[in-house]
Amino acid sequence: EVQLVDSGGGLVQPGGPLRLSCAASGFTFSSYAMSWVRQAPGKGLEWVSVISGSGGTTYYAGSVKGRFTISRDNSKNTLFLQMNSLGAEDTALYYCARGSDSTSYSPLDYWGQGTLVTVSS
Amino acid sequence: DIVMTQSPDSLAVSLGERATINCKSSQSLLYSSNNKNYLAWYQRKPGQPPKLLIYWASTRESGVPDRFSGSGSGTEFTLTISSLQAEDVAVYYCHQYFSIPFTFGPGTKVDIK
Repeated sequence: EVQLVDSGGGLVQPGGPLRLSCAASGFTFSSYAMSWVRQAPGKGLEWVSVISGSGGTTYYAGSVKGRFTISRDNSKNTLFLQMNSLGAEDTALYYCARGSDSTSYSPLDYWGQGTLVTVSS
Repeated sequence: DIVMTQSPDSLAVSLGERATINCKSSQSLLYSSNNKNYLAWYQRKPGQPPKLLIYWASTRESGVPDRFSGSGSGTEFTLTISSLQAEDVAVYYCHQYFSIPFTFGPGTKVDIK
């Protein structure tokens, strides 16, 4: 059974860093691209970033480019999102999601339960 | 960026009746090399993560009831629930994975009339 368990969310001060993790199981992790998607309170879904199965290709939304870094450890079946210079606009429920194949351009077929990030002083 | 719009914002349909949700993209999502539309539909129930229903505009995800269907090509797409069930109450999102940055529609809320 495919499982994605998001973690690492919490309360962080403006300008601070936070690192999210997503532990994957039930599939060959390195064979699938992985994404982060977020939903701010009262807003819709916003795609944040994607990384290819090998980890060699990454893409970001303009709103996070230069501040967030997506990475993966295929030996530990874990996806990461390093978030720096956080602002109130980054407050959201963050989901990791699996792409349906190893390329970045694929639909998201499994999602974690989400981890809440709150940026506030 | 490709802008995704959905209509209506919300709709209420009687049990057993048809629900239709429209999605438009600001650019074509059809990739000529493989003749595929890079468009997916998700269902989001309160307290749950999104669930993939349809991908490549019209391919139903495994396990999704056949009352859900997707159609369209290029810039205009439709999600149809042929006979609404109580468990279909949710927000539905379209999503383009054709071009970075990937984008979602604003969502359509479906309720029972």
